[in-house]
Parts: sequence; structure tokens; C-alpha cells
Amino acid sequence: GAGVSQSPSNKVTEKGKDVELRCDPISGHTALYWYRQRLGQGLEFLIYFQGNSAPDKSGLPSDRFSAERTGESVSTLTIQRTQQEDSAVYLCASSIGTHPNIQYFGAGTRLSVL
Amino acid sequence: AQTVTQSQPEMSVQEAETVTLSCTYDTSESDYYLFWYKQPPSRQMILVIRQEAYKQQNATENRFSVNFQKAAKSFSLKISDSQLGDAAMYFCAYRETSGSRLTFGEGTQLTVNP
Repeated sequence: GAGVSQSPSNKVTEKGKDVELRCDPISGHTALYWYRQRLGQGLEFLIYFQGNSAPDKSGLPSDRFSAERTGESVSTLTIQRTQQEDSAVYLCASSIGTHPNIQYFGAGTRLSVL
Repeated sequence: AQTVTQSQPEMSVQEAETVTLSCTYDTSESDYYLFWYKQPPSRQMILVIRQEAYKQQNATENRFSVNFQKAAKSFSLKISDSQLGDAAMYFCAYRETSGSRLTFGEGTQLTVNP
């Protein structure tokens, strides 16, 4: 498809387990973003990739969170030793990276930590 | 740090009527972008309208328009001739011109009554 694709759509895991969330951006988009949306709240920025530059990791809430991106393609957000407070929808967005740099979002992954 | 505030957690409107959603923000920057995104139950964030701060003219997209008051740091969204499909969570968001991340408000849940 032409949009941002995220998988899985839903993920249920046990506390303490590691999880990997995947984002496939729009083809040609050099910039990729991860956000977290807790229940009933707005989106919180987690991390930003732009081309081959060093990622902006300033939004990651702890060292249990990490993300990788290979070139200008797929990105994976990894949460290690999940906690119940990690339960949220994780949204990915991509953009062309230049003005006006509109971000297009995927449908997110709903993570539930039991 | 920039903050975005949406003071109306919930709003309702009758079909075909007009509704205005409020948003205020705080920034020390003079140039930036403001956005309204719509999030239906499918979770995917959809861009409704955007405004560049250097433009004095208010942005309009079909039935959607904004009232941008730069001095007051206010950015409200007006939906005219409301339709059932407009029912969703609406988020106001801010981005610095040279920045990457979006800063979101807490959202306003809009209900459209038939």
C-alpha cells in the first residue's frame, strides 16, 4: 500500500518480556518518527530518524526503549523487560524530510502488558 | 519547552451545525507550524489542516477553517456543516519550523449527533 504500515496491529505480552514493533514508512520518505499514546492522552514523541544522520533519541523514556532504522526503510522499536506502564498505542509517522515536512501516520500498534 | 493545551476534553454538535474546537500553545519561537489532526477509532492520525505562523491569512480546507491569533497564541478549529463522519478525537499540534517532532495537546473528543 501507499501509506505507513505498522505491525502487529495489537500485541499482548507478559510483564518482563521483550517486544518488537515494526514500521514500514511511505516509500521515498527520509524521515521517520515514533510516538507513544497512552489511553486518553495526546501523543508523546519518542525518537526521530532522518536519512543517515544520528537519530534524535531525546524522547525515549528509559534505556529499556531502543529503535533502529536501516537506511530509509523499515524501523523497529524494541521495548525490553516490559512494564505495565508501557501499555499504550505506539504510532509511527514518516515525512519527506523537507518543507513543509508533513508527517503521515500509521494506524499504530496497541501494546498491552499484563 | 513548547506546550499545547486543549481545554475541551469533549464537545458535541448537531449534524449540519458548526462547532469550534479550542487550542492554545506556548512558545518563544516566532516561526513555527500548527496542525489539527483527526483520530477516528481506527487510530490512524489524519491531517485536517495546517497553518504556518508567518502567514497572517487563516488556513481553510473545505468545511474546516482555523482562527489563528498569533499574539494570543491561539489556534482554534471551526468545522462547518458538521457530518457524522467528523466524529473523532481531534488533536492540535505544534512544530518548530526547523524542528522535527510534533508536540500534541491532550485532544478533544467530538461527537456529532444526528
